Amino acid sequence: GNSVTQMEGPVTLSEEAFLTINCTYTATGYPSLFWYVQYPGEGLQLLLKATKADDKGSNKGFEATYRKETTSFHLEKGSVQVSDSAVYFCALLNTGGFKTIFGAGTRLFVKA
Amino acid sequence: DGGITQSPKYLFRKEGQNVTLSCEQNLNHDAMYWYRQDPGQGLRLIYYSQIVNDFQKGDIAEGYSVSREKKESFPLTVTSAQKNPTAFYLCASSIGPDRVDQPQHFGDGTRLSIL
Repeated sequence: GNSVTQMEGPVTLSEEAFLTINCTYTATGYPSLFWYVQYPGEGLQLLLKATKADDKGSNKGFEATYRKETTSFHLEKGSVQVSDSAVYFCALLNTGGFKTIFGAGTRLFVKA
Repeated sequence: DGGITQSPKYLFRKEGQNVTLSCEQNLNHDAMYWYRQDPGQGLRLIYYSQIVNDFQKGDIAEGYSVSREKKESFPLTVTSAQKNPTAFYLCASSIGPDRVDQPQHFGDGTRLSIL
């Protein structure tokens, strides 16, 4: 079946540090991959997506590359800000499917 | 701007009482979803609907009910059979099951608490 595994949090970084949140997936076929972000007390928002192998999604300084050979979609940002503090969810939607599979979420704290 | 509106933002329920959470979207999306999120936890799917007048149980449907009489509306009722209803409830929509390149859009959630 389809599944998503992401690194456990919380992740605590100082402002301007480099961020990596690991995400690996299991799926048959050619799924689309997403990163969503959830700020405190709010719903999830799409951060970025990639729909085929080797695609790079990017938004607001965040990037993730769809690696089919390693079944990974790691989220990176070169210099985090306090305002990036949130929970980040990796997700997968497979062809012929209608249920997005979410990872457990990784909480990020950024200290000034 | 198009989006998803959930109401109310906060809701309190007495023991033995049913409550209904509202979810409305003006995105013209076919598919709609309800998730439950407990503190520090991920999302668990309660119900989903791919089209008007049709819906399916998700992973934790017991104690919940839904209806989909209109494309833009997908209300969730938390019944008295749900023994631990305190949680954050999120409604989402997407274009449809044949567009796997498109993300889900989420409302801002309803926080339900037991009095």
